[in-house]
Amino acid sequence: EIVMTQSPATLSVSPGERATLSCRASQSVSSKLAWYQQKPGQAPRLLIYGASTRATGIPARFSGSGSGTEFTLTISSLQSEDFAFYYCQQYDDWPLTFGQGTKVEIK
Amino acid sequence: QVQLVESGGGLVKPGGSLRLSCAASGFIFSDYYMSWIRQAPGKGLEWVSHISNSKTYTNYADSAKGRFTISRDNAKNSLYLQMNSLRAEDTAVYYCVKERGPFDAFDNWGQGTMVTVSS
Repeated sequence: EIVMTQSPATLSVSPGERATLSCRASQSVSSKLAWYQQKPGQAPRLLIYGASTRATGIPARFSGSGSGTEFTLTISSLQSEDFAFYYCQQYDDWPLTFGQGTKVEIK
Repeated sequence: QVQLVESGGGLVKPGGSLRLSCAASGFIFSDYYMSWIRQAPGKGLEWVSHISNSKTYTNYADSAKGRFTISRDNAKNSLYLQMNSLRAEDTAVYYCVKERGPFDAFDNWGQGTMVTVSS
């Protein structure tokens, strides 16, 4: 099983600042990496697929990078609606696995 | 727009069974692979099972193998998850999820249905 490790567990950021979230895979997943945002009481929403392609309707302040085992989600200027949980997920091999999540909170 | 509406959750005793359903609309259901993903209270996301558009391929997490069965009815635009021998650790919100393409990211999620396994 490919283990996905996200860091940090919690990220405290002020509105307008940049947030950088990391995701590491225990073995290469090529570019088969997605990022999801989840707010309390809501279903997750796809932000990024293919490691760097924004999903439909996702603002340009969200960007993804990386390949192989190291990936980054960057939110260039945090808006109030961006404070949420973020999960990475690999779809290169079975079983499909998620990271444990990063909580982005208001500083 | 894509809509995925789950139903069938509820309270069940350990060892019991439950069948979840998902009604899909807004896209050509028979063209897409689908999955079930769950989230235990206060925890992260866990992929449970996946089925190809033509029902040819299915796959399960180890936690679901031998107890859960995924199926679909393309004529009814519906996805199902039959869960048997339920355990307390199966307690979670279960999401019906559409895949972008075969073995791809999950681009549309239902709102989820809660399953509670407790005596």
